[in-house]
Amino acid sequence: DTAVSQTPKYLVTQMGNDKSIKCEQNLGHDTMYWYKQDSKKFLKIMFSYNNKELIINETVPNRFSPKSPDKAHLNLHINSLELGDSAVYFCASTGWGEQFFGPGTRLTVL
Amino acid sequence: GNSVTQMEGPVTLSEEAFLTINCTYTATGYPSLFWYVQYPGEGLQLLLKATKADDKGSNKGFEATYRKETTSFHLEKGSVQVSDSAVYFCALRLSAGGTSYGKLTFGQGTILTVHP
Repeated sequence: DTAVSQTPKYLVTQMGNDKSIKCEQNLGHDTMYWYKQDSKKFLKIMFSYNNKELIINETVPNRFSPKSPDKAHLNLHINSLELGDSAVYFCASTGWGEQFFGPGTRLTVL
Repeated sequence: GNSVTQMEGPVTLSEEAFLTINCTYTATGYPSLFWYVQYPGEGLQLLLKATKADDKGSNKGFEATYRKETTSFHLEKGSVQVSDSAVYFCALRLSAGGTSYGKLTFGQGTILTVHP
């Protein structure tokens, strides 16, 4: 069983489109995160949710809107996609110990 | 603020060579320190961790010691293999209390390539 899963794995789309990435964890964790990894492999946190409540928002443009329907899911919706949004997006979750990461979604904006 | 600095990469080694990847940090309070590894096309996996000064984390032949006096957590392995080729991230996490909610602050990552 995959602990943290993301769909889709690859996403190729045109500038200006709206797209969503889904994340689910089956670990029973309370806290989930979205990270963005750029082409130089640099990882930066975007959002964190704890029990469906937003607790960290690291000055991400408001075109990015996370949604947590329940504590096992944290989805990321992106409006009006721009070229600079091309990256790999990782979902992660944590209980009281380590963070577990999903396999990533490679977003390419053309 | 809190930050993590890793040695510049990429690092290229021959199989069985000794590996050191330097990591230093700046943090308020007493952070926990981590090394994560990202194999090609995959997400990050925890490699090892240390939660207090002088702790040594170890896994798969890799070691790192939490040095409070030098604010460092250098990663070492005595004999690398081709299968160790990956990106390595040093990270810190502040204590569970407060508003950090387990947030990890990552270094910039070091790409390691091991040749046969």
